[in-house]
Amino acid sequence: NAGVTQTPKFRILKIGQSMTLQCTQDMNHNYMYWYRQDPGMGLKLIYYSVGAGITDKGEVPNGYNVSRSTTEDFPLRLELAAPSQTSVYFCASSYALQGPIGELFFGEGSRLTVL
Amino acid sequence: GQNIDQPTEMTATEGAIVQINCTYQTSGFNGLFWYQQHAGEAPTFLSYNVLDGLEEKGRFSSFLSRSKGYSYLLLKELQMKDSASYLCAVVDSNYQLIWGAGTKLIIKP
Repeated sequence: NAGVTQTPKFRILKIGQSMTLQCTQDMNHNYMYWYRQDPGMGLKLIYYSVGAGITDKGEVPNGYNVSRSTTEDFPLRLELAAPSQTSVYFCASSYALQGPIGELFFGEGSRLTVL
Repeated sequence: GQNIDQPTEMTATEGAIVQINCTYQTSGFNGLFWYQQHAGEAPTFLSYNVLDGLEEKGRFSSFLSRSKGYSYLLLKELQMKDSASYLCAVVDSNYQLIWGAGTKLIIKP
């Protein structure tokens, strides 16, 4: 009964380093999302995908890249990490026929610090 | 621009009732979600409203008025475990989720 699994849970990066946050869901959901959450702020959408092979930019895509080669996996790549990318990252998935009408299921979050 | 307003923080007493308001101004409307988020954890789904009126689910109820751009989450018989942030999110005309900043609810004994 895994749901949405994301790794790592914690990571410290140096400025300029790169890394990939992994996300896997086992619910056969078509929609997957990456959000970031900064203290006192709402969730900000980075990228989303409506199915394998299809990805779209969200509200704050700069500095990030994604891919969706399978229904299950939706990794988030950070290139050239900057202090502004210090945040908590959440991967989520949902099943919907049109748009994010379905309930979102979230992973446990990845706390990233860039120093 | 699109905007969702919620109070930043509220305090209530164990056993009491609290109402958390959410007002929104979005380009179109295709539904409103409420999520609960305990500190250091992921958000979890509470309710979804797309039609006007009250939806009741145990101790939690959610109300929607589309004409007023207004929703509230009502929590009854408050328990200490209800201490959390409550996030309001609206689905706009492009089926994008717009999130409020959340309301931190503090429950006192």
